[in-house]
Parts: sequence; C-alpha cells; structure tokens
Amino acid sequence: GAVVSQHPSWVICKSGTSVKIECRSLDFQATTMFWYRQFPKQSLMLMATSNEGSKATYEQGVEKDKFLINHASLTLSTLTVTSAHPEDSSFYICSARGTSGSSYEQYFGPGTRLTVT
Amino acid sequence: GQQVMQIPQYQHVQEGEDFTTYCNSSTTLSNIQWYKQRPGGHPVFLIQLVKSGEVKKQKRLTFQFGEAKKNSSLHITATQTTDVGTYFCAGGRQAGTALIFGKGTTLSVSS
Repeated sequence: GAVVSQHPSWVICKSGTSVKIECRSLDFQATTMFWYRQFPKQSLMLMATSNEGSKATYEQGVEKDKFLINHASLTLSTLTVTSAHPEDSSFYICSARGTSGSSYEQYFGPGTRLTVT
Repeated sequence: GQQVMQIPQYQHVQEGEDFTTYCNSSTTLSNIQWYKQRPGGHPVFLIQLVKSGEVKKQKRLTFQFGEAKKNSSLHITATQTTDVGTYFCAGGRQAGTALIFGKGTTLSVSS
C-alpha cells in the first residue's frame, strides 16, 4: 500500500528557533497533502491543505506566517514552525492524497512530536 | 463550519462485550473514514464508506454509513484487549478534500 514518511519523528528545540518537518510520499505521487496537529488525548485538527506548486490553504486561526508550508514536488511537503514557542509543542501529522486510485483515500504519515523548551 | 461529532468520548468494556461508537456530521458527507490510534501511535486507516446506507465488515468490526450520509457507526463484536485505542471517524465534504475528524472514542478493555 501507499506509504507516507515523516522526518524527524521527534524533535526538541529551544524557544525562538525554527523547526522544519518533512512529509514524503514514498511510492506514489501526492498532488495534495494535508497537515494536522494533535494535542495529547485530543483529536486531529486540520491546519492546512497543500497542493503541489501552489500556495497552501490555511484553516481559520492558523497563522500562515508562523507555519510555513511548501509543496515543491509531488512527493514532498514541508512544514516549518517559525519562532517556536512552548505552546507549539504538539504532534504534527501529514497525510497525502494520490493522483490515481480512489479519490477519497488519504494516507497518513507516522507523525512528528515537537517539544519546544 | 462543518462539524463532526462523535460519541461516546470514552468507553470501558469487559473483554467479550460489544462496543459501538457513533459519528454525526452537521452536513452531508461525500465519504467517511474510520481510523484507529493506539496510545503513542499515529492514526491508522481502517476503512472508508462512500455510498448511502453502505455497510462494510472487517472480521469483528462492522461499519455503517447512514442513508442521509450524515452519520456513521463502528461496531465491534466480542471485544478483545487488542481492540484498545482511540477510534476516530473523519468526514470529507468532497472527494479528496481534507478530512474533518471527530473527537474520537477511547476504548479500554479489561480481561
């Protein structure tokens, strides 16, 4: 089946620094990728929708200047958390939709746990 | 905006008992998907339902999509300890659009 990877799987950074998270579709081309965040024991909250070669669409309340999303190729999307603060600590998960097969199915990456100290 | 509500939030059962979680959307969905997340893990896709009134089975799991495509349920027969985790429903308004997740139902099973 389709595989989506994320890197890093976990990261600890100091407040004020920036962190980049990569989401890759390993065996298929993803025209659209989605970024979610999940706080402990809570549901996944959609942050943004990323289409290859165009600007990401952010959900209401998500700061686009703080969470920079780039989808430069059909297999890679990146999320950069700029000037991270402790409240940004969360589990970030991406998902990808393929260019063929079922138009509904999305494939999730394993997630990246970010801790800001 | 679109909301997906899921109940109950928590459910504890004795091993062998049945379990059901319900999902309701404020708007008509094009599809609904179900995911399972184990503690410390990431959501794992279980199934997707597309057709009105659709019913799908996976061994002890039965998934239903309502006639109006606004509600869904997941039923587990004779739970086992391996069924422990949080079950999320996620609805999509249109094909391939982002999913709106319910808050999940956390299932615990005692032997």
